[in-house]
Amino acid sequence: DTGVSQDPRHKITKRGQNVTFRCDPISEHNRLYWYRQTLGQGPEFLTYFQNEAQLEKSRLLSDRFSAERPKGSFSTLEIQRTEQGDSAMYLCASSKDSPRETQYFGPGTRLLVL
Amino acid sequence: RKEVEQDPGPFNVPEGATVAFNCTYSNSASQSFFWYRQDCRKEPKLLMSVYSSGNEDGRFTAQLNRASQYISLLIRDSKLSDSATYLCVVLTGGSYIPTFGRGTSLIVHP
Repeated sequence: DTGVSQDPRHKITKRGQNVTFRCDPISEHNRLYWYRQTLGQGPEFLTYFQNEAQLEKSRLLSDRFSAERPKGSFSTLEIQRTEQGDSAMYLCASSKDSPRETQYFGPGTRLLVL
Repeated sequence: RKEVEQDPGPFNVPEGATVAFNCTYSNSASQSFFWYRQDCRKEPKLLMSVYSSGNEDGRFTAQLNRASQYISLLIRDSKLSDSATYLCVVLTGGSYIPTFGRGTSLIVHP
C-alpha cells in the first residue's frame, strides 16, 4: 500500500498527558499537512510542511502543539498537556509540489482525552 | 462570518434524482476550489477540482461564480453509493492555505 499512513489509529489518554502521532506521506510528495476534524465539521488546517520546512501554522494552534518533519519524509505531531477539548480526529495529508495538487489523506488518528 | 460556508443538510433524495449543493466563501482573493467526498468514518478524497469555466465529470458538474463568491456541485441521476458528506475546499492567500467547509450530507434512498 503506497498511500498515506498514520499511527496509531486510535489513542486514549488522560488529561495532562503528552501524545505523539506519526504520519508517513506518499513517498514522492513534498508537501505534508496536518488537520484536526471534530464531529460534524470539516477538517481544520493546523500546519503544513514543504519538505522539512514548516511553512505555515494556524493561528488557532495552541503552543501545546508542535509538529516536525526532520528529514522531509515522515512527520510527527505532538500534543503536550492534553485537554479534553483536544479530542478529535487528526488527519494527515500529502501532495506534490504545487498547493493546487490533490491532497491524499491518511486514515487519521482518533484521539480521546479523558 | 465563516470563511467557507456550507449547508450541512442532510439532503435526502431518491435514487435517480438530481441534487445541487452550494458553498460560499468570504475571501474574494481565493484562488483555487475543490470538492472532496468523505464517507462515514473515512478520510476525505478528492472528487473534483472546480475550474473558472465550470467542469463536468460524468454525473458530476462543478461551477464557480466569482461575482457571488460561491461554488456549486450538481449530481445527476443519484446513486445509493453517492451517499456521503461533500466538502468544499478553498485555497486562499500567498501560501494557499486550504480551508474546508463543514460539509453537506447527502443521503440517497431507494
